[in-house]
Amino acid sequence: DTAVSQTPKYLVTQMGNDKSIKCEQNLGHDTMYWYKQDSKKFLKIMFSYNNKELIINETVPNRFSPKSPDKAHLNLHINSLELGDSAVYFCASSQRVGIQYFGAGTRLSVL
Amino acid sequence: GDSVTQMEGPVTLSEEAFLTINCTYTATGYPSLFWYVQYPGEGLQLLLKATKADDKGSNKGFEATYRKETTSFHLEKGSVQVSDSAVYFCALSSNDYKLSFGAGTTVTVRA
Repeated sequence: DTAVSQTPKYLVTQMGNDKSIKCEQNLGHDTMYWYKQDSKKFLKIMFSYNNKELIINETVPNRFSPKSPDKAHLNLHINSLELGDSAVYFCASSQRVGIQYFGAGTRLSVL
Repeated sequence: GDSVTQMEGPVTLSEEAFLTINCTYTATGYPSLFWYVQYPGEGLQLLLKATKADDKGSNKGFEATYRKETTSFHLEKGSVQVSDSAVYFCALSSNDYKLSFGAGTTVTVRA
């Protein structure tokens, strides 16, 4: 009964490939997020959707494209993967200011 | 813009020691303040929050007081356990959607 679930948990791929990470929340929240956490644990917001509308779009290479088919899902597609894309990607959802619920993360390794 | 500065780690303590992690912020207006915790291999989860000056947030033996005069929100726990080993993030929110996180402080508690 996971509130925010991401798949896959681990993703190992070659440079230049295209991959997607999926996120689903069953909390009924209106807002969802993608974060990138680097090896030093620094957390960076990438995107946010509110009711399927893009509301936060930070400085991120346009190889990264989010898609929200409905307010319970937010997927992240990455084209032409690079070594520097290796990180842990977290999905989160929120209904109240500042209170976010995070998924367990997807560890992406680009070889 | 909004920003959060928290003390650098890593911090290593013995069980039952006192823990304090300093956090200061810069924000326009009156932000809400949060501490999130990330246990090994997991996503972040909300530890405690405070929404206005002089509010004290508390949870699981942790406390933090919103100090407007010093723009601080330091996290404290009187007696840590091995299970408190985690990365702790201070964060603030000035609007409905975005959380600004500090860099995270890794805490290791030894038995």
